[in-house]
This record gives sequence, structure tokens and C-alpha cells, in this order.
Amino acid sequence: DSGVTQTPKHLITATGQRVTLRCSPRSGDLSVYWYQQSLDQGLQFLIHYYNGEERAKGNILERFSAQQFPDLHSELNLSSLELGDSALYFCASSPMGPYEQYFGPGTRLTVT
Amino acid sequence: QKEVEQDPGPLSVPEGAIVSLNCTYSNSAFQYFMWYRQYSRKGPELLMYTYSSGNKEDGRFTAQVDKSSKYISLFIRDSQPSDSATYLCAMSAGDKVIFGPGTSLSVIP
Repeated sequence: DSGVTQTPKHLITATGQRVTLRCSPRSGDLSVYWYQQSLDQGLQFLIHYYNGEERAKGNILERFSAQQFPDLHSELNLSSLELGDSALYFCASSPMGPYEQYFGPGTRLTVT
Repeated sequence: QKEVEQDPGPLSVPEGAIVSLNCTYSNSAFQYFMWYRQYSRKGPELLMYTYSSGNKEDGRFTAQVDKSSKYISLFIRDSQPSDSATYLCAMSAGDKVIFGPGTSLSVIP
């Protein structure tokens, strides 16, 4: 158990819908990273927040957004969902730099 | 050319064998090099990270970085069936992190 929690574990929704994924980092970690993992794309970095502020963006679609709250938990919002958004979404937290990340168990999103 | 390349395998070895996993990269700005282990449909688990070139050992695992060749390796000694997983290399420069596609490893009892 890494200490990072993610909810929900599974999510099934229809195309065009909007969902929110939640992540709670390890106690004391200020950084939260979001990743998307699909079979054909591997693990893709989406976005990084540090202590409530956005620090870096990766291959995140405009339909996706994220935020980190004062209690350091983070939410990833996915809207206008498409079939291709079906994937595992992981968050990770870090006490230091991006070289030491601890991943949560992931949320499996299925868009039908 | 992808920034990080990794042979996807699958790699199958007998129990007790020494396993060598490798990645190559193209961006000379990478400074930190990481190895993660991922069991099927679970979150990746950090095995170790290395700064710049050199070797680092942790139990049965040894990581090597050769920045001149843009080549990193992970060696697993005395491999066990519980080592069967996908191994992801990753590299970072500043806030940027790039993961390799992963190598699937099976250790056969």
C-alpha cells in the first residue's frame, strides 16, 4: 500500500458525460501527478500540481481539467467523454521531485 | 523517434536467472532515472531512482545509467516468480517525466 488513495476504483459511463476522479496523496506530500494508461499508449503524464498550484502539463486534452485543494487532495475532471478516453487513470504523490513518485491503485474508466 | 524506448518483451526466464532490462533515450537533459514495477492493472511501484550516471544497488536489484550512451539498465539477481510483472523505466528533467512503454517479465518456477 503506497498510502495514495483514489476513488472510485471503477467507473462506467456513456459518451458525452462528465466524471470526476479523486486522489488523496500520502500524508505530507505536496505534489500530485495525474497519468493516463491505455493499452496502446502506455503511461502518459497529464498534469502536475504542487501545493495547490499547477506546475506542469503533459498530454492533457482541453476536455480534461484538474485542481488541487487546500487539503492537498486533487480531482481530475473529464468531460465530453469519448470511447477513446477509456483507460486506467493513476495519480501519484511525491515528497520531493518527480523522481520519487508513489502511485495510487488507479481508477478504471470505461466509456460506452 | 520516441524519447524513451524499451523492448516490450515478453521476456521469459527460469527462476534464479539474472534478468537484464534496458531502456534507451534521446533527450540528454534527463537527469533522474527511475525504475518502476507494475503488476497487472495495479499502480506502478517505485523500485529505485538514480541521479546522473553510475550504479545503484538495492537488494537483488541494480540500476545502471550510462549517460554517454543514453542507456539505462536494471538487473535482477536470483529472479523469483514474484518478480513477474511489467517493468517501466522513467526519466525526468525538471518537472517533465517520461515513462517507457514497459517490458513484460515472466519468471518461470
